[in-house]
Amino acid sequence: LAKTTQPISMDSYEGQEVNITCSHNNIATNDYITWYQQFPSQGPRFIIQGYKTKVTNEVASLFIPADRKSSTLSLPRVSLSDTAVYYCLVGDGGSYIPTFGRGTSLIVHP
Amino acid sequence: EPEVTQTPSHQVTQMGQEVILRCVPISNHLYFYWYRQILGQKVEFLVSFYNNEISEKSEIFDDQFSVERPDGSNFTLKIRSTKLEDSAMYFCASRPPGGDTGELFFGEGSRLTVL
Repeated sequence: LAKTTQPISMDSYEGQEVNITCSHNNIATNDYITWYQQFPSQGPRFIIQGYKTKVTNEVASLFIPADRKSSTLSLPRVSLSDTAVYYCLVGDGGSYIPTFGRGTSLIVHP
Repeated sequence: EPEVTQTPSHQVTQMGQEVILRCVPISNHLYFYWYRQILGQKVEFLVSFYNNEISEKSEIFDDQFSVERPDGSNFTLKIRSTKLEDSAMYFCASRPPGGDTGELFFGEGSRLTVL
């Protein structure tokens, strides 16, 4: 499994755009990049997944450069309810066991 | 929207007692998982289950743990003789058949407190 590195914590303010970058230098050809969100005392929740370039859904955007050695989760105009831990996972699609690291603890301030 | 449901939401037990945590995965899903999260720590993989058998398990999943899918809807995790260090949130997850996304759908968790 490719190892991922992401900041331990980030702070932001309501209305700002937040970008969380994840490094995955050893990503394999078949690996997808997946981001989950976890609120305190709740299970992780899938946010977005991508393989290359850019993916956007109603919650976030995921930017993946051509070399795929990193990815950036972009949360537009965060609110207090976006305060959570965000996990970057890398694995080969449907056949791998999602393995969670420490994630990035995002705190959104009023 | 379909969801994974878990019961109980919180269980308190004495050390050495047996505990069964229950999960109802999303109905058309075929892959099932248990994870745990000790307070303040990472979400850790315990076991995956497919086609009525364990497909993978971690080092944490020792002989004290077992999983079962007794009927078409429930997926259970049993801890035979609980230890203090088993205190954690236990999350069940499921995944639909096919596809390449690997997206897991997690339940809200069962908090286990061992005294």
